[in-house]
Amino acid sequence: GAGVSQSPSNKVTEKGKDVELRCDPISGHTALYWYRQSLGQGLEFLIYFQGNSAPDKSGLPSDRFSAERTGGSVSTLTIQRTQQEDSAVYLCASSLAGRLPYEQYFGPGTRLTVT
Amino acid sequence: DAKTTQPTSMDCAEGRAANLPCNHSTISGNEYVYWYRQIHSQGPQYIIHGLKNNETNEMASLIITEDRKSSTLILPHATLRDTAVYYCIVRVEGGGSNYKLTFGKGTLLTVNP
Repeated sequence: GAGVSQSPSNKVTEKGKDVELRCDPISGHTALYWYRQSLGQGLEFLIYFQGNSAPDKSGLPSDRFSAERTGGSVSTLTIQRTQQEDSAVYLCASSLAGRLPYEQYFGPGTRLTVT
Repeated sequence: DAKTTQPTSMDCAEGRAANLPCNHSTISGNEYVYWYRQIHSQGPQYIIHGLKNNETNEMASLIITEDRKSSTLILPHATLRDTAVYYCIVRVEGGGSNYKLTFGKGTLLTVNP
């Protein structure tokens, strides 16, 4: 079956520009997560959606970062006024529910490079 | 969550079984053992999880010791495509913010031809 998809796969942007990253979760998965992974680093949690609500936004690094989810499905992560330190791979994952033991399935990621 | 300890790296010959160990001596009764892997330049991939009993799926087998202080992930017939970093994590069931996955350094498994 279809897995989690993300677009674009790669994004190069100039410092100060806004970017939008898209995630299509597995159909029927109510929980959706955004993480980022910098080169050689571990996973950094950003935000968790249950349906269209985001009960946990604690990982968003600054107010330049925002995310929304519509129709309980597609999610968009927006970064405004990008900075070089925003360069990373942004990963989206989904699961049947937001609590273990429901495993999370990851997309391939969007590699963001801010020049 | 309980801390896990894994070897930094392992090698395995193609076609042979890869046995990846994980120590989690401080695991508590309601914590599951999960395994994920990350192939270079790809997103993490869920492999398997278990609580007490050994588990098997199409990807791997998970052997958990009776005292639950350690476990072994077994890839029965490793292929070159199994070369990846393998992460063992333990997560409490339900409650709190247990949805936040965090990986340690994991084990780099290199499958050699």
